[in-house]
Amino acid sequence: SQTIHQWPATLVQPVGSPLSLECTVEGTSNPNLYWYRQAAGRGLQLLFYSVGIGQISSEVPQNLSASRPQDRQFILSSKKLLLSDSGFYLCAWSVQGAVETQYFGPGTRLLVL
Amino acid sequence: AQKITQTQPGMFVQEKEAVTLDCTYDTSDPSYGLFWYKQPSSGEMIFLIYQGSYDQQNATEGRYSLNFQKARKSANLVISASQLGDSAMYFCAMRLTSRGTYKYIFGTGTRLKVLA
Repeated sequence: SQTIHQWPATLVQPVGSPLSLECTVEGTSNPNLYWYRQAAGRGLQLLFYSVGIGQISSEVPQNLSASRPQDRQFILSSKKLLLSDSGFYLCAWSVQGAVETQYFGPGTRLLVL
Repeated sequence: AQKITQTQPGMFVQEKEAVTLDCTYDTSDPSYGLFWYKQPSSGEMIFLIYQGSYDQQNATEGRYSLNFQKARKSANLVISASQLGDSAMYFCAMRLTSRGTYKYIFGTGTRLKVLA
């Protein structure tokens, strides 16, 4: 069966510090991968998606970046965090070419102080 | 514009009663998918039900059913026989095809509280 992992679960970082959130998927090959951000009490905002290694599409301009160094690994990064980067970050995967759903990881709660 | 609208920020329902959560969508694409997710207080997003734009029948999954009215562009979620564990945020989402891959748009959610 497929599983998706995210870490860390919770992170408190000062403004201006770097960020690296990791997401890995097991049990499937060549998935589409997604990073979402959810502000407190709000819906999900798609940040990045990837259809393959090294292929990243950005939906919203910001000071975040994403990379996909391996087929089932998706990393969200920032060189300098802003207060507005606080939120709940969710990674998701879906099967390429299939007409089916996204499956979400457990999420990372990020608080920038 | 492509968007999902959930007009009910919060809903209450008595245990064992049925409840309908509203969702309307806007797209000019002929092919799309509609999803409902549940987000408990722990934060994870749990897939509930899916409806394809070409599906003739309304989707059902256990106590969940999706009332799909294509002409009205609505995809309401019906939860029958509500349970206390159904208390959570519920998100409606739409999947579109963009540049050869899928793009997902989420609504702002409805917070459901089931009362004992």
